Amino acid sequence: SQQGEEDPQALSIQEGENATMNCSYKTSINNLQWYRQNSGRGLVHLILIRSNEREKHSGRLRVTLDTSKKSSSLLITASRAADTASYFCATDASTDKLIFGTGTRLQVFP
Amino acid sequence: DAGVIQSPRHEVTEMGQEVTLRCKPISGHDYLFWYRQTMMRGLELLIYFNNNVPIDDSGMPEDRFSAKMPNASFSTLKIQPSEPRDSAVYFCASSRLAGAPYEQYFGPGTRLTVT
Repeated sequence: SQQGEEDPQALSIQEGENATMNCSYKTSINNLQWYRQNSGRGLVHLILIRSNEREKHSGRLRVTLDTSKKSSSLLITASRAADTASYFCATDASTDKLIFGTGTRLQVFP
Repeated sequence: DAGVIQSPRHEVTEMGQEVTLRCKPISGHDYLFWYRQTMMRGLELLIYFNNNVPIDDSGMPEDRFSAKMPNASFSTLKIQPSEPRDSAVYFCASSRLAGAPYEQYFGPGTRLTVT
Protein backbone atom coordinates (compact mmCIF):
# COMPACT_ATOMS: atom_id res chain seq x y z
CA SER A 1 0.00 0.00 0.00
CA GLN A 2 1.17 3.52 -0.63
CA GLN A 3 2.41 5.49 2.31
CA GLY A 4 2.34 8.94 0.77
CA GLU A 5 -0.32 10.95 -0.95
CA GLU A 6 0.69 13.97 -2.95
CA ASP A 7 -1.48 16.99 -3.41
CA PRO A 8 -2.38 18.31 -5.88
CA GLN A 9 -2.42 15.47 -8.38
CA ALA A 10 -1.66 17.93 -11.17
CA LEU A 11 -0.41 21.51 -11.24
CA SER A 12 -0.01 23.90 -14.16
CA ILE A 13 1.90 27.16 -13.83
CA GLN A 14 3.76 29.71 -15.91
CA GLU A 15 7.54 29.98 -16.02
CA GLY A 16 8.84 32.13 -13.21
CA GLU A 17 6.05 31.21 -10.81
CA ASN A 18 6.58 29.09 -7.72
CA ALA A 19 5.25 25.55 -7.49
CA THR A 20 4.25 23.96 -4.21
CA MET A 21 3.52 20.28 -3.80
CA ASN A 22 2.41 18.57 -0.63
CA CYS A 23 2.86 15.07 0.68
CA SER A 24 1.04 13.38 3.52
CA TYR A 25 2.03 10.06 5.01
CA LYS A 26 0.58 7.65 7.52
CA THR A 27 3.22 6.25 9.86
CA SER A 28 6.29 7.53 11.68
CA ILE A 29 9.32 7.96 9.48
CA ASN A 30 13.08 8.22 9.70
CA ASN A 31 13.53 10.30 6.57
CA LEU A 32 11.52 11.67 3.71
CA GLN A 33 12.81 12.06 0.19
CA TRP A 34 11.58 13.78 -2.95
CA TYR A 35 12.14 12.40 -6.43
CA ARG A 36 11.47 13.75 -9.91
CA GLN A 37 10.42 11.70 -12.91
CA ASN A 38 10.58 13.11 -16.40
CA SER A 39 8.28 11.56 -18.95
CA GLY A 40 9.53 8.15 -20.04
CA ARG A 41 12.43 8.15 -17.61
CA GLY A 42 13.35 6.71 -14.23
CA LEU A 43 13.05 8.60 -10.97
CA VAL A 44 15.83 10.93 -9.90
CA HIS A 45 16.55 11.82 -6.29
CA LEU A 46 16.17 15.51 -5.46
CA ILE A 47 16.50 16.00 -1.74
CA LEU A 48 16.31 14.15 1.58
CA ILE A 49 15.09 15.55 4.87
CA ARG A 50 15.55 13.75 8.16
CA SER A 51 12.77 13.40 10.70
CA ASN A 52 14.54 15.78 13.10
CA GLU A 53 14.82 18.51 10.47
CA ARG A 54 12.09 21.00 9.68
CA GLU A 55 13.37 22.66 6.56
CA LYS A 56 16.01 22.07 3.93
CA HIS A 57 17.15 23.94 0.84
CA SER A 58 18.88 22.86 -2.33
CA GLY A 59 19.19 25.42 -5.09
CA ARG A 60 15.66 26.40 -6.10
CA LEU A 61 14.16 23.64 -3.96
CA ARG A 62 12.84 24.10 -0.46
CA VAL A 63 11.46 21.19 1.52
CA THR A 64 9.63 21.38 4.81
CA LEU A 65 8.66 18.56 7.13
CA ASP A 66 6.04 18.59 9.86
CA THR A 67 6.16 15.27 11.68
CA SER A 68 3.29 16.22 13.97
CA LYS A 69 1.03 16.54 10.93
CA LYS A 70 2.81 13.78 9.00
CA SER A 71 3.25 16.06 6.03
CA SER A 72 5.92 17.58 3.84
CA SER A 73 5.97 20.19 1.14
CA LEU A 74 8.26 20.76 -1.82
CA LEU A 75 8.57 24.29 -3.14
CA ILE A 76 10.21 24.99 -6.49
CA THR A 77 10.95 28.67 -6.88
CA ALA A 78 11.20 30.56 -10.17
CA SER A 79 10.05 27.52 -12.11
CA ARG A 80 11.34 26.74 -15.59
CA ALA A 81 9.87 24.72 -18.44
CA ALA A 82 12.52 22.10 -17.70
CA ASP A 83 10.91 21.54 -14.29
CA THR A 84 7.96 19.89 -16.05
CA ALA A 85 7.84 16.40 -14.55
CA SER A 86 6.12 14.27 -11.95
CA TYR A 87 7.28 14.68 -8.37
CA PHE A 88 7.08 11.94 -5.74
CA CYS A 89 7.67 11.85 -2.04
CA ALA A 90 9.07 8.69 -0.51
CA THR A 91 9.28 7.62 3.10
CA ASP A 92 11.29 4.95 4.88
CA ALA A 93 8.94 3.99 7.64
CA SER A 94 10.61 0.66 8.27
CA THR A 95 13.56 -1.48 7.27
CA ASP A 96 15.41 -0.56 4.15
CA LYS A 97 12.69 0.12 1.65
CA LEU A 98 11.04 3.31 0.45
CA ILE A 99 7.34 3.74 -0.02
CA PHE A 100 6.48 6.19 -2.77
CA GLY A 101 3.49 8.48 -2.93
CA THR A 102 1.10 8.90 -5.80
CA GLY A 103 2.92 11.83 -7.37
CA THR A 104 2.15 15.36 -8.54
CA ARG A 105 2.31 16.10 -12.26
CA LEU A 106 3.78 19.56 -12.75
CA GLN A 107 3.45 21.37 -16.07
CA VAL A 108 5.39 24.61 -16.48
CA PHE A 109 4.41 26.67 -19.51
CA PRO A 110 7.00 28.92 -21.14
CA ASP B 1 29.62 5.14 -13.64
CA ALA B 2 27.00 4.29 -16.24
CA GLY B 3 24.20 4.21 -13.71
CA VAL B 4 21.65 1.45 -13.40
CA ILE B 5 21.25 -0.41 -16.67
CA GLN B 6 18.07 -2.17 -17.69
CA SER B 7 17.28 -4.27 -20.71
CA PRO B 8 15.32 -4.44 -22.83
CA ARG B 9 13.92 -0.90 -22.85
CA HIS B 10 10.75 -2.07 -24.55
CA GLU B 11 9.20 -5.51 -24.67
CA VAL B 12 6.06 -6.52 -26.52
CA THR B 13 4.89 -10.06 -26.05
CA GLU B 14 1.80 -12.18 -26.33
CA MET B 15 -0.18 -13.44 -23.41
CA GLY B 16 1.21 -16.70 -22.09
CA GLN B 17 4.79 -16.03 -23.10
CA GLU B 18 7.68 -15.85 -20.67
CA VAL B 19 9.23 -12.44 -20.14
CA THR B 20 12.64 -11.78 -18.60
CA LEU B 21 13.72 -8.31 -17.56
CA ARG B 22 17.34 -7.61 -16.73
CA CYS B 23 19.11 -5.16 -14.46
CA LYS B 24 22.70 -4.23 -13.74
CA PRO B 25 22.98 -2.14 -10.57
CA ILE B 26 25.59 0.49 -9.87
CA SER B 27 28.86 -1.11 -8.86
CA GLY B 28 29.33 -1.14 -5.09
CA HIS B 29 25.66 -0.78 -4.25
CA ASP B 30 24.37 -3.26 -1.67
CA TYR B 31 20.66 -3.03 -2.39
CA LEU B 32 18.63 -3.73 -5.51
CA PHE B 33 14.93 -2.98 -5.88
CA TRP B 34 12.37 -3.94 -8.50
CA TYR B 35 9.35 -1.66 -8.97
CA ARG B 36 6.33 -1.66 -11.22
CA GLN B 37 4.64 1.55 -12.32
CA THR B 38 1.14 1.86 -13.77
CA MET B 39 -1.30 4.72 -14.03
CA MET B 40 -3.81 2.94 -11.84
CA ARG B 41 -1.53 1.71 -9.05
CA GLY B 42 1.38 4.12 -9.19
CA LEU B 43 4.85 2.92 -8.22
CA GLU B 44 4.84 -0.41 -6.42
CA LEU B 45 7.79 -2.16 -4.82
CA LEU B 46 7.85 -5.77 -5.95
CA ILE B 47 10.96 -7.18 -4.28
CA TYR B 48 14.32 -6.08 -2.99
CA PHE B 49 17.70 -7.70 -2.39
CA ASN B 50 20.51 -7.00 0.03
CA ASN B 51 23.90 -8.43 -0.92
CA ASN B 52 22.18 -10.64 -3.51
CA VAL B 53 19.76 -12.11 -0.97
CA PRO B 54 15.99 -11.46 -1.35
CA ILE B 55 14.80 -9.60 1.73
CA ASP B 56 11.20 -8.76 1.05
CA ASP B 57 9.10 -10.15 -1.79
CA SER B 58 5.74 -9.26 -0.33
CA GLY B 59 5.02 -7.00 -3.27
CA MET B 60 5.33 -9.72 -5.87
CA PRO B 61 1.79 -10.00 -7.21
CA GLU B 62 1.63 -13.75 -7.63
CA ASP B 63 3.59 -16.90 -8.34
CA ARG B 64 3.93 -15.99 -11.99
CA PHE B 65 6.55 -13.45 -10.92
CA SER B 66 10.02 -14.46 -9.80
CA ALA B 67 13.26 -12.57 -9.29
CA LYS B 68 16.85 -13.65 -8.90
CA MET B 69 20.15 -11.99 -8.18
CA PRO B 70 22.89 -14.53 -8.93
CA ASN B 71 25.67 -12.01 -8.29
CA ALA B 72 26.24 -8.41 -7.25
CA SER B 73 26.10 -7.10 -10.80
CA PHE B 74 23.04 -8.76 -12.25
CA SER B 75 19.39 -9.37 -11.47
CA THR B 76 16.41 -10.70 -13.40
CA LEU B 77 12.68 -10.36 -13.03
CA LYS B 78 10.75 -13.10 -14.78
CA ILE B 79 7.06 -13.34 -15.56
CA GLN B 80 5.78 -16.72 -16.63
CA PRO B 81 3.19 -16.88 -18.07
CA SER B 82 2.59 -13.23 -18.85
CA GLU B 83 -0.87 -11.67 -18.87
CA PRO B 84 -2.20 -8.39 -20.32
CA ARG B 85 -2.59 -6.96 -16.79
CA ASP B 86 1.19 -7.24 -16.37
CA SER B 87 1.61 -4.41 -18.87
CA ALA B 88 3.51 -1.68 -17.06
CA VAL B 89 6.87 0.01 -16.77
CA TYR B 90 9.26 -2.01 -14.63
CA PHE B 91 12.07 -0.16 -12.87
CA CYS B 92 15.17 -1.44 -11.22
CA ALA B 93 16.91 0.72 -8.61
CA SER B 94 19.98 0.33 -6.46
CA SER B 95 21.32 1.99 -3.35
CA ARG B 96 24.42 1.89 -1.22
CA LEU B 97 23.60 1.27 2.41
CA ALA B 98 20.80 0.66 4.80
CA GLY B 99 20.61 1.96 8.33
CA ALA B 100 21.58 5.41 7.13
CA PRO B 101 19.85 7.96 4.93
CA TYR B 102 20.27 6.80 1.36
CA GLU B 103 18.97 7.60 -2.07
CA GLN B 104 17.92 5.14 -4.70
CA TYR B 105 19.26 5.32 -8.24
CA PHE B 106 16.75 4.26 -10.84
CA GLY B 107 17.29 2.70 -14.21
CA PRO B 108 15.46 3.95 -17.31
CA GLY B 109 12.83 1.24 -17.00
CA THR B 110 11.47 -1.49 -19.23
CA ARG B 111 8.09 -0.79 -20.82
CA LEU B 112 6.29 -4.12 -21.04
CA THR B 113 3.24 -4.60 -23.23
CA VAL B 114 1.43 -7.93 -23.11
CA THR B 115 -1.15 -8.38 -25.84
